Amino acid sequence: DTGVSQDPRHKITKRGQNVTFRCDPISEHNRLYWYRQTLGQGPEFLTYFQNEAQLEKSRLLSDRFSAERPKGSFSTLEIQRTEQGDSAMYLCASSLGTGLQTDTQYFGPGTRLTVL
Amino acid sequence: DQQVKQNSPSLSVQEGRISILNCDYTNSMFDYFLWYKKYPAEGPTFLISISSIKDKNEDGRFTVFLNKSAKHLSLHIVPSQPGDSAVYFCAASGSGGSNYKLTFGKGTLLTVNP
Repeated sequence: DTGVSQDPRHKITKRGQNVTFRCDPISEHNRLYWYRQTLGQGPEFLTYFQNEAQLEKSRLLSDRFSAERPKGSFSTLEIQRTEQGDSAMYLCASSLGTGLQTDTQYFGPGTRLTVL
Repeated sequence: DQQVKQNSPSLSVQEGRISILNCDYTNSMFDYFLWYKKYPAEGPTFLISISSIKDKNEDGRFTVFLNKSAKHLSLHIVPSQPGDSAVYFCAASGSGGSNYKLTFGKGTLLTVNP
């Protein structure tokens, strides 16, 4: 399977703990995105990378959130001092990213976070 | 302020009939539109897209229509099949610069009855 993969698929943690999620994009894709989806809502943009550079961050991404893509391949999203409001599905997507045009984003299966 | 709106939370159709899902947007800078399908506990799956330079794009049973003056797009599925039952999301994006993020609607749950 050469699609976007995410690990873990499910994470249950206690309030105040740190969690880290991993995303492996489609191999030749230069752009990588993180979104968050809560019940009854569509996915909401968090941040995006062009290769290893983080080029845009949403105001939803508080200081407790940090994302990296150190070698321009896989990415990690860390949430420090988790709160119950962080409970959501965290989705990763990637796209080919050639040129200036918007291109189709392909999503992974998501990581379901539950903060107790 | 929701920039992409899907005003119908749910839609039910009979197998073999046409399903029409609607989406409205407010941001005139949007110039690329996509439809995704999502099953429970899975990520969104890309279905079809359309650029603002077109007013129609077709792929098999799926056709997307774009009316720029009305800031409205629709997804037609013909004929509808039970396997099409899922939540459908409309998404939009601007062009150039760093504005590659997708803005999604809240989704429409489509149920296709056998």
